Amino acid sequence: DARVTQTPRHKVTEMGQEVTMRCQPILGHNTVFWYRQTMMQGLELLAYFRNRAPLDDSGMPKDRFSAEMPDATLATLKIQPSEPRDSAVYFCASGCRRDRVKWLAKNIQYFGAGTRLSVL
Amino acid sequence: GDSVTQMEGPVTLSEEAFLTINCTYTATGYPSLFWYVQYPGEGLQLLLKATKADDKGSNKGFEATYRKETTSFHLEKGSVQVSDSAVYFCALEDGGGADGLTFGKGTHLIIQP
Repeated sequence: DARVTQTPRHKVTEMGQEVTMRCQPILGHNTVFWYRQTMMQGLELLAYFRNRAPLDDSGMPKDRFSAEMPDATLATLKIQPSEPRDSAVYFCASGCRRDRVKWLAKNIQYFGAGTRLSVL
Repeated sequence: GDSVTQMEGPVTLSEEAFLTINCTYTATGYPSLFWYVQYPGEGLQLLLKATKADDKGSNKGFEATYRKETTSFHLEKGSVQVSDSAVYFCALEDGGGADGLTFGKGTHLIIQP
């Protein structure tokens, strides 16, 4: 049963500390997304990668957030320094996109269970 | 930019009632439309999708039809069960090439026995 795995599931930290969230996409998927879910804003796209290359990070605060894919089996989202307003659930999703032609696109995204971050 | 609007709820129904959750969208291109469901403590799961106008997505008794003329993708189910209690998200993927999903705020559905 292939699934997206996120660690940790929960993280409580103090303001100013560095936070690293990890995601293992489904094997064979070439696209990885990071979303943030809050009560006020709902689900927002932060960044995404295709074939490990960043395609769009316009939703991510650049001064404190960074996203990387060191290899095809690992994506990371880092916050340094963390602030209370970063408290949210962070979801990773993966999918497979082989062709830009719409009818060939396999644009289903599979979500991990999320990392619930609390910054005190 | 793209946007999705859906009723936020909570929506409370009795078991076996008919369900409709409204969803309308704004998009510049020809988007694909999705309904995702989130159970407590879990990530989102794809419920159904439609990729072009007049397509009907269906799964587990849920249905939604892509209506381009009304820019809508309303979710329906004829007879809900307690196990359908969850948060439902309407979403779109821009047909212009951007791959991230734009989500509605989510509708919390509560089914009472």
